[in-house]
Amino acid sequence: NAGVTQTPKFQVLKTGQSMTLQCAQDMNHNSMYWYRQDPGMGLRLIYYSASEGTTDKGEVPNGYNVSRLNKREFSLRLESAAPSQTSVYFCASSEALRVPQHFGDGTRLSIL
Amino acid sequence: TQLLEQSPQFLSIQEGENLTVYCNSSSVFSSLQWYRQEPGEGPVLLVTVVTGGEVKKLKRLTFQFGDARKDSSLHITAAQPGDTGLYLCAVDSYTGKLIFGQGTTLQVKP
Repeated sequence: NAGVTQTPKFQVLKTGQSMTLQCAQDMNHNSMYWYRQDPGMGLRLIYYSASEGTTDKGEVPNGYNVSRLNKREFSLRLESAAPSQTSVYFCASSEALRVPQHFGDGTRLSIL
Repeated sequence: TQLLEQSPQFLSIQEGENLTVYCNSSSVFSSLQWYRQEPGEGPVLLVTVVTGGEVKKLKRLTFQFGDARKDSSLHITAAQPGDTGLYLCAVDSYTGKLIFGQGTTLQVKP
């Protein structure tokens, strides 16, 4: 019953450091998403991938890059972390585009 | 820009009580979703609706969608402590991207 798996679960970075958040799904879903969740702001879409080999910007893409490595894996990279990127990051997947059906448990990222 | 407002922001009730939370959009949407999120976990999709005026039931949860496709409500009958969590609505406003509300935090005390 793995569903969507995110690693790491927690991370603390210093301003300017880089890191990659990993996400993998085992449901053979075509579409995958990265969201960030901040207090009082709901979930905001960073990037999404409609299918293997494609990626598109969401609502708040600045400061992030993504890679759809294969059908299972979709990673999110912060090249130069900033305090404003402190957040909880969620990866999600779905059979068809638009409505994420399954979410991972999140990565809690703090940038000092 | 589509705006999505959920009310109330926070609700604390006793076990056995009924409650209703609301989701209002500034624009017509093509579909609406309700999710529940428990602390430390990701959201779980509860229901999707695409038809104005539609009513869907999921055990003690009743989802109602406005005829004008701009609003929705979630009613919980005889709330239980297991219903505690953050309830999020999300709409697809024909832009291809889902817009989430800020959520209603529900606390059900035993």
